Amino acid sequence: AQTVTQSQPEMSVQEAETVTLSCTYDTSESDYYLFWYKQPPSRQMILVIRQEAYKQQNATENRFSVNFQKAAKSFSLKISDSQLGDAAMYFCAYRSAYNQGGKLIFGQGTELSVKP
Amino acid sequence: KAGVTQTPRYLIKTRGQQVTLSCSPISGHRSVSWYQQTPGQGLQFLFEYFSETQRNKGNFPGRFSGRQFSNSRSEMNVSTLELGDSALYLCASSLMGYEQFFGPGTRLTVL
Repeated sequence: AQTVTQSQPEMSVQEAETVTLSCTYDTSESDYYLFWYKQPPSRQMILVIRQEAYKQQNATENRFSVNFQKAAKSFSLKISDSQLGDAAMYFCAYRSAYNQGGKLIFGQGTELSVKP
Repeated sequence: KAGVTQTPRYLIKTRGQQVTLSCSPISGHRSVSWYQQTPGQGLQFLFEYFSETQRNKGNFPGRFSGRQFSNSRSEMNVSTLELGDSALYLCASSLMGYEQFFGPGTRLTVL
């Protein structure tokens, strides 16, 4: 069975600075997808960024980028130029490419606070 | 395009009752997945429906069930509610199950 681990329950960053959230996963599969979701206090889950395991290039979406290390089974999220609106719970998630369907396996989350 | 909608947003029930939650996916999306979020267990996958068929199922007791209609709207039902069923229930829709878009959730409180 696949597992996702986020070892940092809480993180803090100064506004305009850069922060990196860690995520590791365990799987025996070679093809899969990885995601980072953001859940602000409103509880609405928002997709931040996604990465296909077969792609070596790290995904980037504006101020958000990932460092995908397939051999190490690591998938960290870097937030550059942090803004107050980035404060939220961040979840790392895994989805198998073999199992047709939408089963996401989530980590426990990292609560990010942004200091003005 | 309208996002995923869930109704009701808040619900209070007592132990032993049953409850039905509804989810309307983004137009054109055929896959609907349900998740339970609690402080202790985090986010856990309940089940997924695609074209009116259950395609995936998580490790929840049979009290949790669901269905999907021909218009892709989905409902989940929890029978014989227990205190531990208090949670935020999230619904997510996707075209084929790949990139999932979440609704605002239904907060269920069981007294």
